[in-house]
Amino acid sequence: QVQLQESGPGLVKPLGTLSLTCAVSGDSISSSHWWSWVRQPPGKGLEWIGEIYESGSTNYNPSLKSRVTILVDKSKNQFSLKLSSVTAADTAVYYCATSPGQYYFDYWGQGTLVTVSS
Amino acid sequence: QSALTQPPSASGSPGQSVTISCTGTSSDVGGYNYVSWYQQHPGKVPKLMIYEVSKRPSGVPDRFSGSKSGNTASLTVSGLQAEDEADYYCSSYAGSIPFVFGTGTKVTVL
Repeated sequence: QVQLQESGPGLVKPLGTLSLTCAVSGDSISSSHWWSWVRQPPGKGLEWIGEIYESGSTNYNPSLKSRVTILVDKSKNQFSLKLSSVTAADTAVYYCATSPGQYYFDYWGQGTLVTVSS
Repeated sequence: QSALTQPPSASGSPGQSVTISCTGTSSDVGGYNYVSWYQQHPGKVPKLMIYEVSKRPSGVPDRFSGSKSGNTASLTVSGLQAEDEADYYCSSYAGSIPFVFGTGTKVTVL
């Protein structure tokens, strides 16, 4: 059973960079899965941010593409998210999730709330 | 790429059925058989209920079923139970954008 755990600062200043890491256990990040980030603003719906394959190939949501970087660290079996120039609109619960073949998410992390505020 | 359209709310009495629609375009829902549905209880993690339009993961009750016609996918919950009260989100593959989520539907068990 795959387990995902997000970690990172819960508070980020406006115009700063949000940085999160997702630790993967129970599976190798080099398995044939895509690894994604999804966010959910308080009281709102889900938004896919982007994904990465173990090869380093990435796909990003066009609405966030200019500000997002997702990287994989095979040595630590984890992947990360960086979102730059954040504003209050980026306040959300951030989930990491995995998908076999890009078509659905079968495992999710518990989520971590990131608040953008000075 | 816009979010897929779902009704904000749906409801039914225990034992009844409720159907939630998820409307997209020929570039997403209508173009691929890769629609999935997620259940999310308040404060909890989304849970996969249906994938590839109508397939159920192991452990999901057969009261949950999915279908698709044209650009609209549907999730039906039969024999409603109190624990089915939750938010439901659809998602579709959209080619260059692997995941587009729906706007979400709050299901209330009366």
